[in-house]
Amino acid sequence: DARVTQTPRHKVTEMGQEVTMRCQPILGHNTVFWYRQTMMQGLELLAYFRNRAPLDDSGMPKDRFSAEMPDATLATLKIQPSEPRDSAVYFCASGSRDIYEQYFGPGTRLTVT
Amino acid sequence: AQSVTQPDIHITVSEGASLELRCNYSYGATPYLFWYVQSPGQGLQLLLKYFSGDTLVQGIKGFEAEFKRSQSSFNLRKPSVHWSDAAEYFCAVAPQGGYQKVTFGTGTKLQVIP
Repeated sequence: DARVTQTPRHKVTEMGQEVTMRCQPILGHNTVFWYRQTMMQGLELLAYFRNRAPLDDSGMPKDRFSAEMPDATLATLKIQPSEPRDSAVYFCASGSRDIYEQYFGPGTRLTVT
Repeated sequence: AQSVTQPDIHITVSEGASLELRCNYSYGATPYLFWYVQSPGQGLQLLLKYFSGDTLVQGIKGFEAEFKRSQSSFNLRKPSVHWSDAAEYFCAVAPQGGYQKVTFGTGTKLQVIP
């Protein structure tokens, strides 16, 4: 049963620290999405990649967030420095042009104190 | 730009009762339409999708949705709700013609009472 995996599942860190979240998309999927979910803002698209190239990262605060796909099996989302307002659940999802639906990972719950 | 509205933030139904969750979209042409479900502590899972053709689409877990072009709506229905259906439901829209980003609604939280 293919699924998207995300690590870590939970992360508590202090303000100012660097946070790296990892995502392994489903094998064969060529599109990867990063979302942030909060009670106040709901589900926000931060960035997405196709064939490892960033297509849209307009939803991402550029000064502190960065997203990369070093290879087809790994996507990373980094926050440096982290702030309390970054506390949220971060979801990775993968998909492909053929199926046009997104498969979500279980999320990383980030708490910045 | 496309947008999607879910007017009901929270809905409570009795187990065994029927369910309809509302979704309205705004887009110049007919978009691709989706319903996702999110159980507590989980990621989103696709329930069903509409691309073209028959306007009544069947999904998993006994859900169905009907696309009504004249009303720009894509409401989700289930004839008899089970306690395990308690979750948050998201309607989503994406432009046709190419795999582009999906816009999600704000979600409707469903509570099921015995």
